[in-house]
Amino acid sequence: EPEVTQTPSHQVTQMGQEVILRCVPISNHLYFYWYRQILGQKVEFLVSFYNNEISEKSEIFDDQFSVERPDGSNFTLKIRSTKLEDSAMYFCASSGEFGREQYFGPGTRLTVT
Amino acid sequence: GENVEQHPSTLSVQEGDSAVIKCTYSDSASNYFPWYKQELGKRPQLIIDIRSNVGEKKDQRIAVTLNKTAKHFSLHITETQPEDSAVYFCAASGRGNTGFQKLVFGTGTRLLVSP
Repeated sequence: EPEVTQTPSHQVTQMGQEVILRCVPISNHLYFYWYRQILGQKVEFLVSFYNNEISEKSEIFDDQFSVERPDGSNFTLKIRSTKLEDSAMYFCASSGEFGREQYFGPGTRLTVT
Repeated sequence: GENVEQHPSTLSVQEGDSAVIKCTYSDSASNYFPWYKQELGKRPQLIIDIRSNVGEKKDQRIAVTLNKTAKHFSLHITETQPEDSAVYFCAASGRGNTGFQKLVFGTGTRLLVSP
């Protein structure tokens, strides 16, 4: 069964550094999402992406964040200058033609020191 | 925007008992309600979902009910087993301008099934 994959599984970075989190969505899916989950809290929507552009973004997704689909398979989340409060698990998700069932990747744990 | 409340935050049951988790949502335009199971350190896993044109859906030991008038939906797990122990999240979603749907999650219920 196809799954969403993410790399790296764990990223440690210093405050102010740039990080890029990578995702490979399920191959025939058209809608892509990033969510984050601070330890012990609920999953929060960050951004959605369709047809090579952002469809919607939350207030968390400020100018420090960007997303890109650099090729036909990868979907990336970039944080330009990380803050301590960016420490969280970041999940990529994708859904198919009807934009309904969303399948999550295993997550990248980002630790900002 | 949409807001989803979830109760209880923690639920302990004995193996074989039933478990019920309840969620309410605020936006009457929401029309898709998935449930995710998340084991410690793992991805949220879609276990069942319901759309607003039906009131109930069942898949083996799990079922979901939806009351659109009251804007609440519930997850029912029967004959619970220790491997059902996890955090369960409800979510709600409505159709955005471009046709896709973002998920708004509840705060989660930690279910513990004791042997």
